Amino acid sequence: QQQVKQSPQSLIVQKGGISIINCAYENTAFDYFPWYQQFPGKGPALLIAIRPDVSEKKEGRFTISFNKSAKQFSLHIMDSQPGDSATYFCAASGSSARQLTFGSGTQLTVLP
Amino acid sequence: KAGVTQTPRYLIKTRGQQVTLSCSPISGHRSVSWYQQTPGQGLQFLFEYFSETQRNKGNFPGRFSGRQFSNSRSEMNVSTLELGDSALYLCASSPGGGLSYNEQFFGPGTRLTVL
Repeated sequence: QQQVKQSPQSLIVQKGGISIINCAYENTAFDYFPWYQQFPGKGPALLIAIRPDVSEKKEGRFTISFNKSAKQFSLHIMDSQPGDSATYFCAASGSSARQLTFGSGTQLTVLP
Repeated sequence: KAGVTQTPRYLIKTRGQQVTLSCSPISGHRSVSWYQQTPGQGLQFLFEYFSETQRNKGNFPGRFSGRQFSNSRSEMNVSTLELGDSALYLCASSPGGGLSYNEQFFGPGTRLTVL
């Protein structure tokens, strides 16, 4: 019940295209859903996060869509750039703990 | 503000040895969490410390331990190292309170190789 399932495992997008990564969770106690971006040799960097009281949050080219009834959330990267090429992780945690449960990661490649 | 710092960045040990990793959180942050990252298991939660107390613990054997000091700096220790302990160990810093109470900011990690 603690799992967060992430898809796809890898994604190739043309420059200027939209990248979409999906995650699904089972634990209804989760109430915080962040996305992290990780470059090789670096730690994960917090990109954007959402709580269940809103269905969408946008920050620049990054948007989280959240569907509470389906227990799914997704990351949309608009106007994808080669510099966005990295591994993206979704995660979730509950209000009573800062323990993050991570998805398995999506390796995004944006072709120039 | 300076980010999360971890030392050392790279470490090579042999089986049976023990190792201590260090983490300095973002100034003012009171919560420190540790995660293990491997290609096979991904990112897994080890434990969290807040105000020098362990708040949560992941599903790891007792060989993995940690502590937090009064200045919020944290250390984790792995005793009797096994080959499977080779991983990137990440420290994450969180304010621990307020509206951003569970935002976590990661350091660059310590790459541990066990031979």
